[in-house]
Amino acid sequence: DSGVTQTPKHLITATGQRVTLRCSPRSGDLSVYWYQQSLDQGLQFLIQYYNGEERAKGNILERFSAQQFPDLHSELNLSSLELGDSALYFCASSFGTYHNEQFFGPGTRLTVL
Amino acid sequence: GNSVTQMEGPVTLSEEAFLTINCTYTATGYPSLFWYVQYPGEGLQLLLKATKADDKGSNKGFEATYRKETTSFHLEKGSVQVSDSAVYFCALSPGGYQKVTFGTGTKLQVIP
Repeated sequence: DSGVTQTPKHLITATGQRVTLRCSPRSGDLSVYWYQQSLDQGLQFLIQYYNGEERAKGNILERFSAQQFPDLHSELNLSSLELGDSALYFCASSFGTYHNEQFFGPGTRLTVL
Repeated sequence: GNSVTQMEGPVTLSEEAFLTINCTYTATGYPSLFWYVQYPGEGLQLLLKATKADDKGSNKGFEATYRKETTSFHLEKGSVQVSDSAVYFCALSPGGYQKVTFGTGTKLQVIP
């Protein structure tokens, strides 16, 4: 158990819909990272937050947004969903940002029908 | 930009065989290097890391040495077990607020 929790574990929805994925980092960790893992794209970094502020951005679509709240939990919002958004979404956390290893949650499996 | 290149899988080995998974990187400065492992149905977990040149990371019988001259961080294990079957990811962290770069992952299957 990494100490990172993600909800829900599974999500099935239809094209055009909007969903919110939630992540609680390990106790004491200030950074949260979001990744998308699909069979054809591998593990793709989406975005990083550190203590409530956006710190790094990866291949995140404009339809996707995220935020980190004062209690340090984070939410990833996916809107206007397309079939190709079906994937595993992982959250990871670390204490800081400098060379720190990341601790991954169990993931949320999103299926868009 | 930064990049990580891993050998393509899947790699299939018999139990007790020697394992090498190659990883090379491109980065400026002095990144930290990591190997993560993903068991079926789970998230990634850190296997080992090295933070400077010539450092050797080791854990659970796995080893990798940070070679700056060849920009490599190959993963090795002397005798694999069926329980080592998983996907292995090489990654680099440039430090500061730069994103971590992951390789594409190498699937290892160990057969009895």
